Amino acid sequence: GENVEQHPSTLSVQEGDSAVIKCTYSDSASNYFPWYKQELGKRPQLIIDIRSNVGEKKDQRIAVTLNKTAKHFSLHITETQPEDSAVYFCAARDNYGQNFVFGPGTRLSVLP
Amino acid sequence: EAQVTQNPRYLITVTGKKLTVTCSQNMNHEYMSWYRQDPGLGLRQIYYSMNVEVTDKGDVPEGYKVSRKEKRNFPLILESPSPNQTSLYFCASSPWTSGGQETQYFGPGTRLLVL
Repeated sequence: GENVEQHPSTLSVQEGDSAVIKCTYSDSASNYFPWYKQELGKRPQLIIDIRSNVGEKKDQRIAVTLNKTAKHFSLHITETQPEDSAVYFCAARDNYGQNFVFGPGTRLSVLP
Repeated sequence: EAQVTQNPRYLITVTGKKLTVTCSQNMNHEYMSWYRQDPGLGLRQIYYSMNVEVTDKGDVPEGYKVSRKEKRNFPLILESPSPNQTSLYFCASSPWTSGGQETQYFGPGTRLLVL
């Protein structure tokens, strides 16, 4: 089955700097890759996603890139702000479209 | 308001005492799923349902049961809870598209402690 690894597990950046979180997946047939943000004590919420027929997607300060050959995808946050502090999860959807496998999460801290 | 609700939000119980965590969504989503979240392990899928009366095991189904008798409800049942089921549980729903299920909407979570 699918396996998703995520690095780093923790990341601290200064406010205004960029943050990058990387995920790798094992199943080359996976075709949809969402990113979720979970603030302390809250539920995960989708922040951006990318499909396998696209190499990059941007939404304001957030971007996701996908390298299908290498089977990895990354979340890029520019001009980080304290409210970006949260745990971020990547996920990969299996080829049947039924299941998501999540990475273990990255705790991002944005220091003022 | 479109939402996924779970009850209870917090539960302390003892080993072996059967419990049910309810999940309901009002978005007419076909797909519903249960996850448990443990530190350092992310979200692990317990069971999922692609539609009414259709359920299947996820990655960690042992010790859990589910049912999907109505489209909006997907209860999680622990017949004989054990301390290793102490966790934070999330229910999620998503619409079914031509490519499969996509954006998942999560409930607020249920924090369970089994003594």
